Amino acid sequence: DAKTTQPPSMDCAEGRAANLPCNHSTISGNEYVYWYRQIHSQGPQYIIHGLKNNETNEMASLIITEDRKSSTLILPHATLRDTAVYYCIAPVNNAGNMLTFGGGTRLMVKP
Amino acid sequence: GAVVSQHPSWVICKSGTSVKIECRSLDFQATTMFWYRQFPKQSLMLMATSNEGSKATYEQGVEKDKFLINHASLTLSTLTVTSAHPEDSSFYICSAREDNEQFFGPGTRLTVL
Repeated sequence: DAKTTQPPSMDCAEGRAANLPCNHSTISGNEYVYWYRQIHSQGPQYIIHGLKNNETNEMASLIITEDRKSSTLILPHATLRDTAVYYCIAPVNNAGNMLTFGGGTRLMVKP
Repeated sequence: GAVVSQHPSWVICKSGTSVKIECRSLDFQATTMFWYRQFPKQSLMLMATSNEGSKATYEQGVEKDKFLINHASLTLSTLTVTSAHPEDSSFYICSAREDNEQFFGPGTRLTVL
């Protein structure tokens, strides 16, 4: 897996967009960018993934830079239930292989 | 997405006893399951990869004789922590692979007294 770097923590006001950055400057052509989140004392939850193009689903948007060296996960309207640790992972090929979890970003959504 | 369950969700045991944790894929068949361990305020660490019908592959530093993994069917993998000690207290999480995606269970919190 490509090494990923994320800020250890971030705060966001409830109702505002939360923009979580991830640096993966050594990513190779066959490595996707996956985002998971882990709410306290629960298993990780899949959010979104992408290879080159930006992606959007009902949970979030993923913006990948053209050179693929970094990406941003966007939660458009953060709620208190979005408080969690967010992990950016770049596995080889896909998430069907072992995943290497880094430190992640602890997002605190505040009222 | 696919659903993965774990049982029990939490367990407290005495030092020296063995504890079995079950991981089930509820609505799909998983030839590959993964076992992770997470200590407080740390990230998930992969312990082993479990393949149905064959021996598990353990990560470096994980004792295969202490953490016994059995993947006897396409929907069930078990992790047995043998002769548990307080340092084995942790949050154990399994995941199952379906196609090219990985789905995680809710975790099992083990406390060894």
